[in-house]
This record gives sequence, C-alpha cells and structure tokens, in this order.
Amino acid sequence: EDQVTQSPEALRLQEGESSSLNCSYTVSGLRGLFWYRQDPGKGPEFLFTLYSAGEEKEKERLKATLTKKESFLHITAPKPEDSATYLCAAAGPGGYQKVTFGTGTKLQVIP
Amino acid sequence: GAVVSQHPSWVICKSGTSVKIECRSLDFQATTMFWYRQFPKQSLMLMATSNEGSKATYEQGVEKDKFLINHASLTLSTLTVTSAHPEDSSFYICSARIEGGLYEQYFGPGTRLTVT
Repeated sequence: EDQVTQSPEALRLQEGESSSLNCSYTVSGLRGLFWYRQDPGKGPEFLFTLYSAGEEKEKERLKATLTKKESFLHITAPKPEDSATYLCAAAGPGGYQKVTFGTGTKLQVIP
Repeated sequence: GAVVSQHPSWVICKSGTSVKIECRSLDFQATTMFWYRQFPKQSLMLMATSNEGSKATYEQGVEKDKFLINHASLTLSTLTVTSAHPEDSSFYICSARIEGGLYEQYFGPGTRLTVT
C-alpha cells in the first residue's frame, strides 16, 4: 500500500531561520511527487511537482528536492507569511486515482 | 491559471435536508474532478472521483447514495449531501485535473458544511 509520511508534524521557526520539511514515500513506480500549501479554512494551493530523483524546483523562498525515497521542502529565510500547513502527495502508477496525501507539516514563522 | 472555485464557501443546514456544493474550473477544462473531505487537523480524504459524462467512482466506505456526484460538463461537478446529519459536518474540498495534463490537482477553496 502506498504511504506518504511527513515530518515534523509541526515546526516553529524564527523569521529568517532556514529549515527543511521532510516527506518520505513508499510508492512503487512514482509518477509524481507534489507539494501544496494550505492555509487555515482554505483549499490546498499547488506549489511544485517533481518527477524524478535529483530534480529540484524553486519558488521564492521555497525549494523542493526529490530522492528515490523522500522529498524535502527547504525554506530559506522564512517570513511570517510563510506560516501554513505544507502537504506532500505522491502519485503511483495507478494514475490520478492513486494520489496519496501525507498529513502535513504545520509551519509557524514567528516575527 | 488553473483556478477552481467552489460554492458556497460555507453552509449551515438542518438535519435531514440536502445540500448541494458546486465545483467549477474557471480557466481550464477538467474531465476529471475529485471530492475530498477534511477533518480538523487531518489530511485530505478522497471521497470520490468525478468523470465528465459518466458515473463517479467512490472510495471504499463512502456511501454513493448519500453523497451524490454529478459531473455535467467539462467545467462543473456537483456534490449533493442527501439527508444530512451532524456527522456529515466537515470541510469539503474539490480539485480538478487539467485535461491533457499530468497528475497535478488544483484545489478549490473548500466548503464548510455545518449540519444542526
């Protein structure tokens, strides 16, 4: 059974304090690894898709990387507006119906 | 691009009544849309996959007669919660996949349903 595990569950950072969020996955034949940001009471906002090990993508202060077993979301010099829950999801060979979501990392950035 | 809307954003209804939630892809066509349910401090739970012009595919444990899904066009899917009960109170979120695209799903803003 496909599994996606995110750690830590919650992370509290001082503004400017860089860190990384982890997403471990056990999906045979990965078709895509996704990162989303979710603010309270809102739907997830798409951030990145990674397709193969070694791939990296960046957007402002965020950089996502992928290995054969895990993905990292690096946050460089975070600001309070980066506070949100970050969700990781993986698509297996079953196609779009086999997207498995992790439980998320709740990030709080303190001014 | 890839904007998905939901209506209403929140709704309160009485036990035993039915509620319809609309999900629209505003700037793209979506053959496939998804309906999720999210409980507080939990991740997304896929309820069903909605395919334009055909019957929805429901996940195990989801009552198809209670959660009616209709995907009438390439830009609209609806979820109707029939004979709602307080335990149906939740945050319902839809997503859509771009026709011809890969596996990314684009999410709507969600609908908060409260059944009294």
